[in-house]
Amino acid sequence: DAGVIQSPRHEVTEMGQEVTLRCKPISGHNSLFWYRQTMMRGLELLIYFNNNVPIDDSGMPEDRFSAKMPNASFSTLKIQPSEPRDSAVYFCASSPRGQGYTEAFFGQGTRLTVV
Amino acid sequence: GDSVTQMEGPVTLSEEAFLTINCTYTATGYPSLFWYVQYPGEGLQLLLKATKADDKGSNKGFEATYRKETTSFHLEKGSVQVSDSAVYFCALTHQGGKLIFGQGTELSVKP
Repeated sequence: DAGVIQSPRHEVTEMGQEVTLRCKPISGHNSLFWYRQTMMRGLELLIYFNNNVPIDDSGMPEDRFSAKMPNASFSTLKIQPSEPRDSAVYFCASSPRGQGYTEAFFGQGTRLTVV
Repeated sequence: GDSVTQMEGPVTLSEEAFLTINCTYTATGYPSLFWYVQYPGEGLQLLLKATKADDKGSNKGFEATYRKETTSFHLEKGSVQVSDSAVYFCALTHQGGKLIFGQGTELSVKP
């Protein structure tokens, strides 16, 4: 298996632009997570899905952020409009079980820079 | 709510030194506990896990024991190598499936 695949690996955009990050989870996994990593805040859970349904989005910082999972093999995290403080590494992870999963598998991350 | 606290880094050791990275948690009931490792420029990888009290997780010479009485899951390795230089994250998962991470501890091993 190729693992969790994220694209793009790097994204540089201007403040105010829309940014879309993409994730393909491991086939057969039914839980998907979006995390954000910064030096100041560490690793933050933004949102997670079970069976394509958002379960907890309490970590989404504000309305500028939205996430979708239209099917079991694809998810997007969108920021509109982007701001410099959104600069971070965004990780997607998937897990083979729903409630009470045992581990998550992470993608390589997308490094976002908003200038 | 549930939380994980790790010792602050960075931790700098000489090759072949003994490593301990402390991790304590707060959670109701019986969470599963994990150590993840992140090498530069990469995502997190599971290093080891323990799913119930007194379980010992081990992998690549690293060990951690689930201590319910002290709510701890300290990571240890008897002899570190330069290749162990990375950031280590302690984490737990509990009801609802959320994986909650500590702040991470950077380890630097010098030859």
